[in-house]
Amino acid sequence: GDSVTQMEGPVTLSEEAFLTINCTYTATGYPSLFWYVQYPGEGLQLLLKATKADDKGSNKGFEATYRKETTSFHLEKGSVQVSDSAVYFCALSDRQTSYDKVIFGPGTSLSVIP
Amino acid sequence: GAGVSQSPSNKVTEKGKDVELRCDPISGHTALYWYRQSLGQGLEFLIYFQGNSAPDKSGLPSDRFSAERTGGSVSTLTIQRTQQEDSAVYLCASTPMADTQYFGPGTRLTVL
Repeated sequence: GDSVTQMEGPVTLSEEAFLTINCTYTATGYPSLFWYVQYPGEGLQLLLKATKADDKGSNKGFEATYRKETTSFHLEKGSVQVSDSAVYFCALSDRQTSYDKVIFGPGTSLSVIP
Repeated sequence: GAGVSQSPSNKVTEKGKDVELRCDPISGHTALYWYRQSLGQGLEFLIYFQGNSAPDKSGLPSDRFSAERTGGSVSTLTIQRTQQEDSAVYLCASTPMADTQYFGPGTRLTVL
């Protein structure tokens, strides 16, 4: 079945460091890919998405490119801030096999220190 | 506009009691999901409603868990004879046909 794998955390970075959180997926169809973020004490919210191969999603300085050849959707940011401290979830939605059902990765906790 | 709302925001109950958690999705969203998030853990899928189709209950951990969605809108998650391991944040999300999930703030359940 479809699945999402993320790099294990927690990840701790200094402010202004470069961030990469790896995400790879397994899907039988042509999924849409997402990154969700959960700030401390808050619910999940969509950070960015990409719906087809080679699309790049971007928001708040974060980017991720849908790479079909490597089945990856790695999250990157050039210069993290303390306010980026949160848990990041990679997810997919494979409409060919599961309609709108969304499958989440386990989440990666990020802590940014001043 | 109004987002997904959940009630109560916090629920403390005694072991063995039944609890009901409510989710009001965004109007017009056809799909509704329930997830469970234990402390420091990822999201555990519980159940999925899509329009008038039979729900996908494959994630419910035991027969003590059930959910319904009335009139294609409000959903109630019921946990019978609660156990301490049921303590978690229960999240509801709804989606239109465009994949993006909109999450509610969650209900924090504590079973003493």
